[in-house]
Amino acid sequence: AQSVAQPEDQVNVAEGNPLTVKCTYSVSGNPYLFWYVQYPNRGLQFLLKYITGDNLVKGSYGFEAEFNKSQTSFHLKKPSALVSDSALYFCAVRLPWSSASKIIFGSGTRLSIRP
Amino acid sequence: ETGVTQTPRHLVMGMTNKKSLKCEQHLGHNAMYWYKQSAKKPLELMFVYSLEERVENNSVPSRFSPECPNSSHLFLHLHTLQPEDSALYLCASSQDGTGQAYEQYFGPGTRLTVT
Repeated sequence: AQSVAQPEDQVNVAEGNPLTVKCTYSVSGNPYLFWYVQYPNRGLQFLLKYITGDNLVKGSYGFEAEFNKSQTSFHLKKPSALVSDSALYFCAVRLPWSSASKIIFGSGTRLSIRP
Repeated sequence: ETGVTQTPRHLVMGMTNKKSLKCEQHLGHNAMYWYKQSAKKPLELMFVYSLEERVENNSVPSRFSPECPNSSHLFLHLHTLQPEDSALYLCASSQDGTGQAYEQYFGPGTRLTVT
């Protein structure tokens, strides 16, 4: 079965330190990969996506993600965390050559940045 | 966030009530989605409409009934719900096209409580 895993329910980081939010996937073929962020009382917001090409993708708010095909991972990273980065982060996978409905979300990771 | 709007933002209903959730997108997209977000569970795709035709129904209970009168509006009609249906219901829109990696834009959600 095709799936997306976010192995950490919560990640705690001190402000100014680098952060990583992990995502691994299990799908056939070469998927499209996405990261979304959800702030309290808001819907999800698109951060970045990987389609093809350079394994390091840069997105909004200084976030980037690294695609690793051999490890089937797409970890979200930021060199220096801000308190305002505290939110719920979702990884998502879409199969290429599929309709929009074929998108799978992970269960989310809550990122907490302490001052 | 004004690209996708949802009303009402909060709804409390009894198990015998009938209510409707409304979603409107102002982005010119051709696909719209309903998701259910429950605590500590993956985002659950309920319905997808592409070009106003329902393309996928993920075996959602019949007490949830979607309606998409045009490409900008989406409704979710609710009747005889159960307490376990209490959740945040998110609407999203995107462009759709097989093989394309379009991101989704989400509304703020309707917080539904079934008593």
